[in-house]
Amino acid sequence: DIQMTQSPSSLSASVGDRVTITCRASQGISNSLAWYHQKPGQVPKLLIYAASTLQSGVPSRFSGSGSGTDFTLTIRNLQPEDVATYYCQKYDSAPFTFGPGTKVDVK
Amino acid sequence: QVQLVQSGAEVKKPGASVKVSCKASGYTFTGYYMHWVRQAPGQGLEWMGWINPNSGGTKYAQKFQGRVTMTRDTSISTAYMELSRLRSDDTAVYYCARVEDGFPSGWFDPWGQGTLVSVSS
Repeated sequence: DIQMTQSPSSLSASVGDRVTITCRASQGISNSLAWYHQKPGQVPKLLIYAASTLQSGVPSRFSGSGSGTDFTLTIRNLQPEDVATYYCQKYDSAPFTFGPGTKVDVK
Repeated sequence: QVQLVQSGAEVKKPGASVKVSCKASGYTFTGYYMHWVRQAPGQGLEWMGWINPNSGGTKYAQKFQGRVTMTRDTSISTAYMELSRLRSDDTAVYYCARVEDGFPSGWFDPWGQGTLVSVSS
C-alpha cells in the first residue's frame, strides 16, 4: 500500500504569516490528492482536491500544488480561524490513506 | 442541500457489535459512493471502506476485513456500517462521507457529523 507522510507534524505561526505544509506519497499518485482541515471538535472539511483545485467556498488564501509524490498546501495571510489539523489524503485507489496530520496553531 | 445525518452515540461492551447509520438527503442516493472513516480520540483519520449504494458492492480496508459490513437501504437513502467483535481500541468517532462523480475514487465531501462509539467493559 502507498504510505502518506506529512511535515511538519505541528507548527506555530503568527497572524499574517505564510504557512507551508508538505505531503509525500511513497509512490506516485498523479494529482489524486485532497487536503482537509479539521478544527477542534468539528468534522473534517474539504479544502482542495486534484492537488490544486480550491473547493467552492474555501478562502483563496489556501492553495495547493504538486503532482506524483510531492504535494504542498500553502496558507497565505494566516488567520486565527485557520487553527486546525490539516490532513492530506490520496484518493486514486483503495486504500484511501490519510496523512498523519499537521497541527497548525497561531501565536 | 446535500446532507449526511448519522445516528447517535453508542456505548458497547467488548465483543459486541455496533451498527451506525448515515441518512443521505439532497441528492440521488444511488448515484454516489459512500465511504466510512474513523478517528480514535486524539488521533488521525483512518479509512475503513466504501459501499456502492446502487449495487451494494463494497470494498473494505484490509485491517477491517472480516469485522466490518457495509450495507444500504435505498428505500430510505441510508447507508450502514456494522463493526463486530468490538475491542477497546475501536473507541472512535465514525464518519460517513460521500464521494463526488459516481466513482469510488474521489475526494470526500460532504461528511456526516460523526458518531461516537465507545467500547468499554
